[in-house]
Amino acid sequence: DQQVKQNSPSLSVQEGRISILNCDYTNSMFDYFLWYKKYPAEGPTFLISISSIKDKNEDGRFTVFLNKSAKHLSLHIVPSQPGDSAVYFCAARDFYGGSQGNLIFGKGTKLSVKP
Amino acid sequence: DAMVIQNPRYQVTQFGKPVTLSCSQTLNHNVMYWYQQKSSQAPKLLFHYYDKDFNNEADTPDNFQSRRPNTSFCFLDIRSPGLGDAAMYLCATSSSGGRSFYSNQPQHFGDGTRLSIL
Repeated sequence: DQQVKQNSPSLSVQEGRISILNCDYTNSMFDYFLWYKKYPAEGPTFLISISSIKDKNEDGRFTVFLNKSAKHLSLHIVPSQPGDSAVYFCAARDFYGGSQGNLIFGKGTKLSVKP
Repeated sequence: DAMVIQNPRYQVTQFGKPVTLSCSQTLNHNVMYWYQQKSSQAPKLLFHYYDKDFNNEADTPDNFQSRRPNTSFCFLDIRSPGLGDAAMYLCATSSSGGRSFYSNQPQHFGDGTRLSIL
């Protein structure tokens, strides 16, 4: 059973607009969340993270929002650029759980930013 | 630049023929991970080394083994590859491995090895 779910396999956005990528999780013990970006033929690259004690973290054009009551995480990219076109993975960590603090990934959302 | 390097990028092997994938890092991280990722699926952790301490995931098949001869190198051995083992294999590193609650260091990934089974 998936503990981290990215229900949208793909998303298409116009350049300059906002991209919103969503992630839902089931484990209320997750204490740390990350977003990774992956270009074709490359490994995932860390983008931004957020601790469970916060509800927002911002880094330039990228903002991650955490709604613990809804067990929902979102990544906002404003403004979107064609170079942002990639697969975005949501990942979560359960430090005190049986996974020894290892990351659990979602299946990814492919973002396409059109010029 | 410090990085995680995986060789080869593409590997083709025959059904049942042992194969080894390699990973090296210049980040001097104490934790190294191996993930398996199949098409349109989430990366799935196979095992990780915390320094020399090997940690196998409960559902990782016995067919998959790993070696870490030193801090910089880690190998993934597939003893008898089956058709279902065709996938992208990703190596990653991090410092501390998340065992310190205050250490939220992200994992750094290599570009992966795509394994095909004939």
